[in-house]
Amino acid sequence: DAKTTQPPSMDCAEGRAANLPCNHSTISGNEYVYWYRQIHSQGPQYIIHGLKNNETNEMASLIITEDRKSSTLILPHATLRDTAVYYCIAFNQGGKLIFGQGTELSVKP
Amino acid sequence: DSGVTQTPKHLITATGQRVTLRCSPRSGDLSVYWYQQSLDQGLQFLIQYYNGEERAKGNILERFSAQQFPDLHSELNLSSLELGDSALYFCASSVGSLAGGHTGELFFGEGSRLTVL
Repeated sequence: DAKTTQPPSMDCAEGRAANLPCNHSTISGNEYVYWYRQIHSQGPQYIIHGLKNNETNEMASLIITEDRKSSTLILPHATLRDTAVYYCIAFNQGGKLIFGQGTELSVKP
Repeated sequence: DSGVTQTPKHLITATGQRVTLRCSPRSGDLSVYWYQQSLDQGLQFLIQYYNGEERAKGNILERFSAQQFPDLHSELNLSSLELGDSALYFCASSVGSLAGGHTGELFFGEGSRLTVL
C-alpha cells in the first residue's frame, strides 16, 4: 500500500472551512484514498473515500488531483466537534487498512 | 453508535496474566478486524477474519491470538502480558467479501482499554 504524508497538526477557526492536505505520490492506479477521523480515544470513524473523481457527502468533500498524487479533505464549516486526528489512507481493496500518524486538527472558537 | 460492541471497556491486570477481549460486529457484517493503539505506536493493524477464517495478519505478537466464532463474534486473547501491551484495542467490522477484499469502510467499536501493571 502507498505511503501517505500529512502535516502533524493544523488549526482552524470555528465556522471556517478546514482543508486537510495529504500527499500520496506513490499511489497505484487501483488504490483508493480513504479518510477517517478519530475523536479523542474513540474508535476511528469513516469519513469519505475516492479513486479519481472528487467526492462529497454529508460530512466532507474530497478533492483528488488529476495526477492522483495528492488530495485534500474539506470540512466546509468546521465546528468544535470536528477537533480530531484525521487519517488519510491509500487503500487497495483486498489489502489491509493501515493508519499513519494523521493530522491533529484543532478547531478553535 | 457504530453498531460494533466491545467488552470489557476497561481492564486492569498484572504482568504475566492472560485476558480475553470480545467483539460483536454489526449485524450482517462478516469481517472482523483487530487494531491496537498505544501512545508510541499509533493504530496498528493486528488481524482480520472473514466468516470464521483468518484473512490477513499484521503486527500481531505470537503471545496474541484471535478467532471468529460461527455467530461471527470475535475474541482477542492476550497472554503473558507485558507492560508494553497496555493499549486501546479496537475491533472493527465490515461486510467483507469471500475473495478477502473489502471496501475499506470499517465500523469501529469504542475499544477496550487494557492496563497492565
